[in-house]
Amino acid sequence: AQKITQTQPGMFVQEKEAVTLDCTYDTSDQSYGLFWYKQPSSGEMIFLIYQGSYDEQNATEGRYSLNFQKARKSANLVISASQLGDSAMYFCAIGPGTYKYIFGTGTRLKVLA
Amino acid sequence: GAVVSQHPSRVICKSGTSVKIECRSLDFQATTMFWYRQFPKQSLMLMATSNEGSKATYEQGVEKDKFLINHASLTLSTLTVTSAHPEDSSFYICSADRDSARDEQFFGPGTRLTVL
Repeated sequence: AQKITQTQPGMFVQEKEAVTLDCTYDTSDQSYGLFWYKQPSSGEMIFLIYQGSYDEQNATEGRYSLNFQKARKSANLVISASQLGDSAMYFCAIGPGTYKYIFGTGTRLKVLA
Repeated sequence: GAVVSQHPSRVICKSGTSVKIECRSLDFQATTMFWYRQFPKQSLMLMATSNEGSKATYEQGVEKDKFLINHASLTLSTLTVTSAHPEDSSFYICSADRDSARDEQFFGPGTRLTVL
């Protein structure tokens, strides 16, 4: 079975500063992927970044980077130079395990001007 | 590329009626699509995995007779909420697997269902 834990229900960050959103996971699979999605108030799920379990380098996508520590089973999302438009819910997910994906409970990020 | 559409975006219906939600992959073929349900301020909960040409796989606790899923083609999956009740009111989101190396899911914009 797979499990995703996001321990921060809400976070605040000052505009232009960096913020780290925590994600830990548990899985018995040898090969898996870790994903981060952003969900603004409109409800759509926006893909941000992906990390494969065998990728040795941390993934980066523009202002987003994933701090992957496999031994600790953590996959934290780092957003650099926060912008007001970054205010949203952020979900960490793992998959596919037995052909399905598991999502964490999410972290609500609020960027302050 | 990798666009998934969902229709309708919002629907309000009377209790006891059936509602069909469509999920389409617009620029890729998807042998597998997923249906999620999201209650306010909660996470996405997987309802079922829809496989083209075969029966859907439902998660534990999801009534297959109430939530009918049909994946008739490589670009279309439908979710029909039968005999809808107010407790079925929720945000329903589909996603499609593009069968790429990293198994990335592409999400539709979601459908907000309100049952009166």
